[in-house]
Amino acid sequence: SYVLTQPPSVSVAPGQTARIACGGNNIGSRSVHWHQQKPGQAPVLVIYFDKKWPSGIPERFSGSNSGNTATLTISRVEAGDEADYYCQVWDSSSDHWVFGGGTKLTVL
Amino acid sequence: EVQLVETGGGLVQPGGSLRLSCAASGFNVINNYMSWVRQAPGKGLEWVSVIYSGGTTYYAASVKGRVTISRDISKNTVYLQMDNLRAEDTAVYYCVRDPVLDGGVYIEAHWGQGTLVNVSS
Repeated sequence: SYVLTQPPSVSVAPGQTARIACGGNNIGSRSVHWHQQKPGQAPVLVIYFDKKWPSGIPERFSGSNSGNTATLTISRVEAGDEADYYCQVWDSSSDHWVFGGGTKLTVL
Repeated sequence: EVQLVETGGGLVQPGGSLRLSCAASGFNVINNYMSWVRQAPGKGLEWVSVIYSGGTTYYAASVKGRVTISRDISKNTVYLQMDNLRAEDTAVYYCVRDPVLDGGVYIEAHWGQGTLVNVSS
């Protein structure tokens, strides 16, 4: 089955840029979706189809996808961005959704 | 406004059954891919099951044979029937409108608030 690998944690100072990687075999050939989950809350979609913005999501969030790595980039990081972030793809070989293990973003 | 409201969670003994419901508003479930995703305490997200707009269903290996996803068009509701529950099924279960490209239209994902299933004796 398809596996997505994320770093367990990323730390960044306020105002800086955070980059969260999601690795998978030839992930660039798949569409990647990113979800943000704050403590005690349900996840929220922040980027879909690699780089599209859902309604209500600021353009400080952006996505890219090429080769074996997809990346969620958060510019001008704010304290309110502190959360767990999950990448997601559809695995057509098994007809399953696959999630990465999640990355905890800490704002220093 | 799109909204998903899950109900039906609770405490159940190992080997027991529960049926989760997901009432949708702001869109029609029959025209969308709908999934259930769960999250065990302190763990990450785990996809459980999906029902396509055409009615085809798929299941994660961890629940296959014990779980059935279905929908009621008249109630615009998706269900997850869970049987022979195990301790490892303890989790918050989320209903999700899946992100898909349908006929040239990009559909955003939406999540419900979740319902807690606790399998314990």
